[in-house]
Amino acid sequence: EADIYQTPRYLVIGTGKKITLECSQTMGHDKMYWYQQDPGMELHLIHYSYGVNSTEKGDLSSESTVSRIRTEHFPLTLESARPSHTSQYLCASSPRTGTSTDTQYFGPGTRLTVL
Amino acid sequence: KNQVEQSPQSLIILEGKNCTLQCNYTVSPFSNLRWYKQDTGRGPVSLTIMTFSENTKSNGRYTATLDADTKQSSLHITASQLSDSASYICVVSDRGSTLGRLYFGRGTQLTVWP
Repeated sequence: EADIYQTPRYLVIGTGKKITLECSQTMGHDKMYWYQQDPGMELHLIHYSYGVNSTEKGDLSSESTVSRIRTEHFPLTLESARPSHTSQYLCASSPRTGTSTDTQYFGPGTRLTVL
Repeated sequence: KNQVEQSPQSLIILEGKNCTLQCNYTVSPFSNLRWYKQDTGRGPVSLTIMTFSENTKSNGRYTATLDADTKQSSLHITASQLSDSASYICVVSDRGSTLGRLYFGRGTQLTVWP
């Protein structure tokens, strides 16, 4: 099982609150990703990072922001949460070997509900 | 448009039976195809990965096949167990960049009944 952790696992908050979803991995992977997944739907990439100080937006437009100050840590922040942000957020990492066959290892996810 | 389509959307089988899940894709240029298992409330876990030159790959009771000409893949589960109940996701990667852009299917929700 992969050593990638997400906290909190579940979060229920009110509209307008600022939240940070934490993601950490102990595998020394350079690449990290954030996905959004609604029930019964495919995963959508919202952010990714090639390494420290590298962050890029994914395919799905998101009002969230990310940072990568340390290799092992890739937090996602919502400055002002809205009900439309209600979803499951999955963090993943993969080694940077320069090939597209690198397996992505996923964390357990954070289920966010914004009231 | 690069897409990954999976069928059936959901499937119920009895414990001990076999089943086959299907995946059709239009992703090009193709790099590899993965099958992931996602338990409810958990992140996906990789089962198999196949590149263009591979047409079958096994992982215990899971056997994946790939036909790169017809752009189809299947995941066969043998002697199903209750713990096989999960969503099975087909993921295709292109060769467009070192990121290895991933295209996800919506998954097949498998339920195994005792």
